[in-house]
Amino acid sequence: DIVMTQSPDSLAVSLGERATINCKSSQSVLNSSNNKNYLAWYQQKPGQPPKLLIYWASTRESGLPDRFSGSGSGTDFTLTISSLQAEDVAVYYCQQYYSTLYTFGQGTKLEIK
Amino acid sequence: QVQLQESGPGLVKPSETLSLTCTVSGGSISSYYWSWIRQPPGKGLEWIGYIYYSGITNYNPSLKSRITISVDTSKNQLSLKLSSVTAADTAVYYCAGSTVTTGAPYNWFDPWGQGTLVTVSS
Repeated sequence: DIVMTQSPDSLAVSLGERATINCKSSQSVLNSSNNKNYLAWYQQKPGQPPKLLIYWASTRESGLPDRFSGSGSGTDFTLTISSLQAEDVAVYYCQQYYSTLYTFGQGTKLEIK
Repeated sequence: QVQLQESGPGLVKPSETLSLTCTVSGGSISSYYWSWIRQPPGKGLEWIGYIYYSGITNYNPSLKSRITISVDTSKNQLSLKLSSVTAADTAVYYCAGSTVTTGAPYNWFDPWGQGTLVTVSS
């Protein structure tokens, strides 16, 4: 299995400040044949299903505010919210699809400081 | 826009079989790989398995001996059966799709159903 480890487990950030969530995979999720990283990010609010934010590690889903960005390659990835808004309070998950034994990170809970 | 709706009993007794259905609307069932994913209360996400309309399946090895996922294309439905349940199987169960147009099964999950809570208790 590819183990996905997120850090931190929880994060409190002031409104308007930057939030950074890290995700590390136990093996590379970069496909050298197409130079794509098989990694997605999701946002989950209480009582709701996860919502896709980013795929291919850095491609924003249509309609996603540009304050959200994804970066990284290989085994180390980052989700950045450049200016935290109140509606961004949620749990964020990374997920690898390099292997079809899909695995998720444990989640990072983002709160307002 | 594809929409998914999970349905099934909210309470299952230990040692019995959990059975859930996901109804797909607004799109072609053949355009996606369909997964079941679960989330124990207050915990993270675990992928259970997927099926393609042709009948291709892939299961999480940790659950493989207890899982059956099937599809009924005439009803636009997929189903999950999980046998010999215990309290550890208590979770919100989601169905989710991975579109073949962007490389399924090697891609992300979107859309997702709203999920259904299944509690295992006597």
